[in-house]
Amino acid sequence: DIQMTQSPSSLSASVGDSVTITCRASRGINIYLAWFQQRPGRAPKSLIYATSRLQSGVPSKFSGGGSGTDFTLTISSLQPEDFATYYCQQYNSYPPTFGGGTKVEIK
Amino acid sequence: EVQLLESGGGLVQPGGSLRLSCAASGFTFSNYAMSWVRQAPGKGLEWVSGISGSGGNTYYADSLQGRFTISRDNSKNTVSLQMNSLRAEDTAVYYCATPAPQSGNYDWAWGYWGQGTLVTVSS
Repeated sequence: DIQMTQSPSSLSASVGDSVTITCRASRGINIYLAWFQQRPGRAPKSLIYATSRLQSGVPSKFSGGGSGTDFTLTISSLQPEDFATYYCQQYNSYPPTFGGGTKVEIK
Repeated sequence: EVQLLESGGGLVQPGGSLRLSCAASGFTFSNYAMSWVRQAPGKGLEWVSGISGSGGNTYYADSLQGRFTISRDNSKNTVSLQMNSLRAEDTAVYYCATPAPQSGNYDWAWGYWGQGTLVTVSS
């Protein structure tokens, strides 16, 4: 199985800040990486697929990049509703696997 | 609007069984694979099982050791997960998920998620 490693596991930021989360795959996954946002007590919400493509209705403040084994999610101008846990997930190889999550907290 | 609505969760004793269902609407159900993803309390996301649009192919996480069975009824737009020999470590919120059309023909590129149903395995 492909292991997905996210860093950091948590971070603190202020409203208006920009943050970047990193996701590393244990072997190459081409561009087949997705990002999800999960607010406490809620279901995951799809943000990005194919590394950098926004799901319908997702604001452009979310951006993704990378290829191969190293990927990033950048959130610009953090707002209160952006404070949540973010997960990466690869779908290049079976079985699909998730990173451990990055909790973005308010400083 | 795509909607996925899970049901069937609850409290069950170790060794017991439970059947989860997910009712789908807002898209051509038979065209898309469906998956179950779970989340243990305070933990991350874990893919559990998937089934192709036709139902002809099924997939399971190795950790399940043959205890779960996924199925679908394309006439009723539902997917089910039969869970047997349940263990404490199966305690989790179970989500059903499906790809969004724009994600391409990738069964595991989930664009839509249900709200989840809680399964608690405890005596």
